[in-house]
Amino acid sequence: GDSVTQMEGPVTLSEEAFLTINCTYTATGYPSLFWYVQYPGEGLQLLLKATKADDKGSNKGFEATYRKETTSFHLEKGSVQVSDSAVYFCALTNTGNQFYFGTGTSLTVIP
Amino acid sequence: EAQVTQNPRYLITVTGKKLTVTCSQNMNHEYMSWYRQDPGLGLRQIYYSMNVEVTDKGDVPEGYKVSRKEKRNFPLILESPSPNQTSLYFCASTLAGNYNEQFFGPGTRLTVL
Repeated sequence: GDSVTQMEGPVTLSEEAFLTINCTYTATGYPSLFWYVQYPGEGLQLLLKATKADDKGSNKGFEATYRKETTSFHLEKGSVQVSDSAVYFCALTNTGNQFYFGTGTSLTVIP
Repeated sequence: EAQVTQNPRYLITVTGKKLTVTCSQNMNHEYMSWYRQDPGLGLRQIYYSMNVEVTDKGDVPEGYKVSRKEKRNFPLILESPSPNQTSLYFCASTLAGNYNEQFFGPGTRLTVL
């Protein structure tokens, strides 16, 4: 069945460091891919998405490119801030009704 | 303000005592869904609903029931809760089709003793 595998955390970075969180997926067909972010004590919020191969999703300085050849959707940011500290989830859907999430990667950015 | 609300936010109960967690959205979304979040397992989908009176199982439906009698509400029912249902629960909603952004509620932390 469909699934998402995410890089295990926790990840700790200094402010202004480069961030990569790896995400690979297993799915039939051409799923849509998402990154969600969860701040402490809150629900998840959509960070970015891509709905077809080679699409790049971007938001708030974060980017991820849908790579069908490597079945990946890695999240990157060039310069992280303390306010980026959160848990990040990679997710996919093939049907628009069933969604599959990764295990989440906790990011802490220290000043 | 567009939002998804859940009640209660925190609940401690005992094995076998029926409970309902309510979920309501004010965005006229057709699609609603319930997830549970557990350490090391991420979010797993319990049930979803594509519209009123249309519900279907997600990945982990055992021990849960749902109903969708009105478009705005999607309650999660635990008829006989067990300790392995201790978890953080999230409700989400979105417009149907085209894989739109899901809007999540703030979560309900449930402890079953």
